[in-house]
Amino acid sequence: AQTVTQSQPEMSVQEAETVTLSCTYDTSENNYYLFWYKQPPSRQMILVIRQEAYKQQNATENRFSVNFQKAAKSFSLKISDSQLGDTAMYFCARRKGTDKLIFGTGTRLQVFP
Amino acid sequence: SQTIHQWPATLVQPVGSPLSLECTVEGTSNPNLYWYRQAAGRGLQLLFYSVGIGQISSEVPQNLSASRPQDRQFILSSKKLLLSDSGFYLCAWILSVDHTEAFFGQGTRLTVV
Repeated sequence: AQTVTQSQPEMSVQEAETVTLSCTYDTSENNYYLFWYKQPPSRQMILVIRQEAYKQQNATENRFSVNFQKAAKSFSLKISDSQLGDTAMYFCARRKGTDKLIFGTGTRLQVFP
Repeated sequence: SQTIHQWPATLVQPVGSPLSLECTVEGTSNPNLYWYRQAAGRGLQLLFYSVGIGQISSEVPQNLSASRPQDRQFILSSKKLLLSDSGFYLCAWILSVDHTEAFFGQGTRLTVV
């Protein structure tokens, strides 16, 4: 069963603008970990940001920030001041228990000049 | 520092031929190891994971198998490839005692012809 859902197959944004990628998930656990990964054309998976569910404060990494809504099981990624190098596939992922890392289907982001 | 090696990078195999993809990790002990498959334009599907030597969990019934003969070695195999086995295969590891992110190999692009 799909436990991580990314409802936006493709998104586009103009350079320097802000874009938000959506992610929802299902879980019965109280404590877990959420991640956003970036996959550029090189196909290398790169961690963008992570969030621990027991922390209420939203994680931030430079231009990347998340909006973590635990009750709604929502974990969106905001990219500010978009750059051409942000063009990539973005995957939301959840650590399930201590063993599994489950990914969503991805959102393809295109940044236009 | 920890590194992960995955090979080969590209592979073209005829239908019905065997497959062996290898993944090795350096600089860590007792990692959780994972095999994912990414079909064209789609997300990452978890195929197998392992929490220790000889311990393999299969997520999706299919034509593939996995083995972990050594602590830092994870092998994906098939006795007879199908056309549907084509895709991009990624190996990853996570420290089992630390809920941090997964680290990925460079991937193998497998084309079954």
